[in-house]
Amino acid sequence: DIQMTQSPSSVSASVGDRVAITCRASQDISTWLAWYQQKAGKAPNLLIYAASTLESGVPSRFSGSGSGAVFTLTISSLQPEDFATYYCQQADSFPLTFGGGTKVEIK
Amino acid sequence: QVQLVESGGGVVQPGRSLRLSCAVSGISFSSYGMHWVRQAPGKGLEWLTVISYDGRTKSYADSVKGRFTIFRDNSKYTVDLQMNSLRPEDTAVYYCAGGAGVVTAKYDNWFAPWGQGTLVTVSS
Repeated sequence: DIQMTQSPSSVSASVGDRVAITCRASQDISTWLAWYQQKAGKAPNLLIYAASTLESGVPSRFSGSGSGAVFTLTISSLQPEDFATYYCQQADSFPLTFGGGTKVEIK
Repeated sequence: QVQLVESGGGVVQPGRSLRLSCAVSGISFSSYGMHWVRQAPGKGLEWLTVISYDGRTKSYADSVKGRFTIFRDNSKYTVDLQMNSLRPEDTAVYYCAGGAGVVTAKYDNWFAPWGQGTLVTVSS
């Protein structure tokens, strides 16, 4: 199985800050990677797929980069509605696996 | 609008069975592969299973293989998860989610849209 490791596990930031979250795969997954946002008590929501493609309706302050085994989700200017937990997920092979999550908290 | 509505959750004793259902509307259901993903209380996301658009291909996580079975009915726009031999560690919120129609590696195996989830508690 492909292991997905996210860092940091949590980050404290202020509105307007730039935030970057890293996801590492245990093997090369090309660009078969997605990012999700999950707010407390809600279902996850797809933000980015194919490592860097923004899902329709997702604000442009979100961006994804990387290929192979290292990927980054960047929020260019954190907004109040962005405080949530973010997960990466590999789409390369079954079983599909998620990273452990990164909680973005208010400083 | 797009809606995925899970039902069937509840409290069940260890070793018993439960069947979850997900009713889908607002999308071309018969074109989507359908997944179940769960989240234990305070924990991360765990993918469980997928069924292809035509029901012919399925895949399972090792944690549920042999205990859980996924079904779909394209005439009713529903996807079910039959859960047998339940264990306390199966306690979680269970989400259904749409995905690529075919089940194959190195493909668009991400999840959108999602249902709101249904809670399953396995306890004596």
